Amino acid sequence: AQSVSQHNHHVILSEAASLELGCNYSYGGTVNLFWYVQYPGQHLQLLLKYFSGDPLVKGIKGFEAEFIKSKFSFNLRKPSVQWSDTAEYFCAVKEGGSYIPTFGRGTSLIVHP
Amino acid sequence: DAGVIQSPRHEVTEMGQEVTLRCKPISGHDYLFWYRQTMMRGLELLIYFNNNVPIDDSGMPEDRFSAKMPNASFSTLKIQPSEPRDSAVYFCASSLSASNQPQHFGDGTRLSIL
Repeated sequence: AQSVSQHNHHVILSEAASLELGCNYSYGGTVNLFWYVQYPGQHLQLLLKYFSGDPLVKGIKGFEAEFIKSKFSFNLRKPSVQWSDTAEYFCAVKEGGSYIPTFGRGTSLIVHP
Repeated sequence: DAGVIQSPRHEVTEMGQEVTLRCKPISGHDYLFWYRQTMMRGLELLIYFNNNVPIDDSGMPEDRFSAKMPNASFSTLKIQPSEPRDSAVYFCASSLSASNQPQHFGDGTRLSIL
C-alpha cells in the first residue's frame, strides 16, 4: 500500500527564516502530488499540486515544491516565512489513475514573530 | 462556488447520544470523503463514496459509525451510541473523478462527547 512520510512533525522558526518540509512517498509509478495547509481552527486547503511538466511547482503565498522522482520526494519550500504561515501542512499523494489520496501525518509549523 | 458545507460546526453532547453530521459536497463532484482528525491519530479516512455509493468503509472504526449518501448533494455520518473517544474534528471533502484534481474540504464539525 502507498505510504507518505513527513519527517518533520514539528518545526519552529523565526520570521524571515527559510522553510523546507520533507515529503516522501513509496509508490514507484506515476503520481500526482499535493500540499495542503490547515490554518488553526480551519479546514485543509490546497497550497499547490504537481501532476506533470516542470517538477518545480509554485503555489499560493510564496510556497513552492520540487518533485524529485529519483528520490520519491516532494518537498515544500518557502524562502522567508511569516508569522501568518503558522499552520499544519499535509502532503498527499495519488497514484496515477487513482482518485483516492494518501495523506502524510502532517507537519506543525510555528513561526515566531 | 459555495464549497463543501458541513453542519453543525460544533456539537457537544453526552455519551450514549446519537450524533449526526451532515455534508453537502460541491455540485458536480462525484467523490465524497469523510475524515476524522485527532491529535493522536492525525487525519484518518473513514469512508468514501463514488456517485453516492459507498466504496470503502474500512476506515470506519466501529459498527457504531455509519454513513449514507442518499443523493449527490447530501451525506451523513452517524455515531450511535457516541463515546468520549469519538471526540474529534470530522471533515467532509469532495472531489472530481480525476487523479490530478485536489480534494475540497469543508470547515469540519468539532465534536465533543462528554
